[in-house]
Amino acid sequence: GQQVMQIPQYQHVQEGEDFTTYCNSSTTLSNIQWYKQRPGGHPVFLIQLVKSGEVKKQKRLTFQFGEAKKNSSLHITATQTTDVGTYFCAGNNFNKFYFGSGTKLNVKP
Amino acid sequence: SAVISQKPSRDICQRGTSLTIQCQVDSQVTMMFWYRQQPGQSLTLIATANQGSEATYESGFVIDKFPISRPNLTFSTLTVSNMSPEDSSIYLCSVEGLGTSGDHEQYFGPGTRLTVT
Repeated sequence: GQQVMQIPQYQHVQEGEDFTTYCNSSTTLSNIQWYKQRPGGHPVFLIQLVKSGEVKKQKRLTFQFGEAKKNSSLHITATQTTDVGTYFCAGNNFNKFYFGSGTKLNVKP
Repeated sequence: SAVISQKPSRDICQRGTSLTIQCQVDSQVTMMFWYRQQPGQSLTLIATANQGSEATYESGFVIDKFPISRPNLTFSTLTVSNMSPEDSSIYLCSVEGLGTSGDHEQYFGPGTRLTVT
């Protein structure tokens, strides 16, 4: 079945350092989405990537979709304490979303 | 965007009983999804609920254990039947909608935190 793996599981950074999480799918995806979940909250949509090799930026966040549409990454430049949370990728196949295992980010002030 | 409410927000239930979780959306949507998320874990898709047809279940989930209703385009229920402590989890419903950026986004309800004793 569909599997979406994400690494690392946890990341602890000092405020101001960069952070990257990687997502790999066992199958080619129609598109991939990224979500952020704050502690005690529900996942909130960040971005969707559709095209092979696509790169999108949102302020300090950079999202990439691999050429084969099987992997993706999220990079945060100069982390802030407000970036704390768990970041999930979600691969879309046949209109169903399969979530990665998530990367929990902790930012020390 | 879509605003989703879920009831109950949390419950503590005894093993062997059943709980029905309600999901209400403020707009008409074709597809609704039910997920389970254990504390600190990822989201696992249980089933897709389309109005007018039977829900489609993912591997490892069956209708007898998780019956779903979808009577109209704004409402769905998920029942957790014959509960055991292993069913303790957060259950979330979600819908797909068109965001302001033009992307198809998933909007999630606040979740129902279920504890089975």
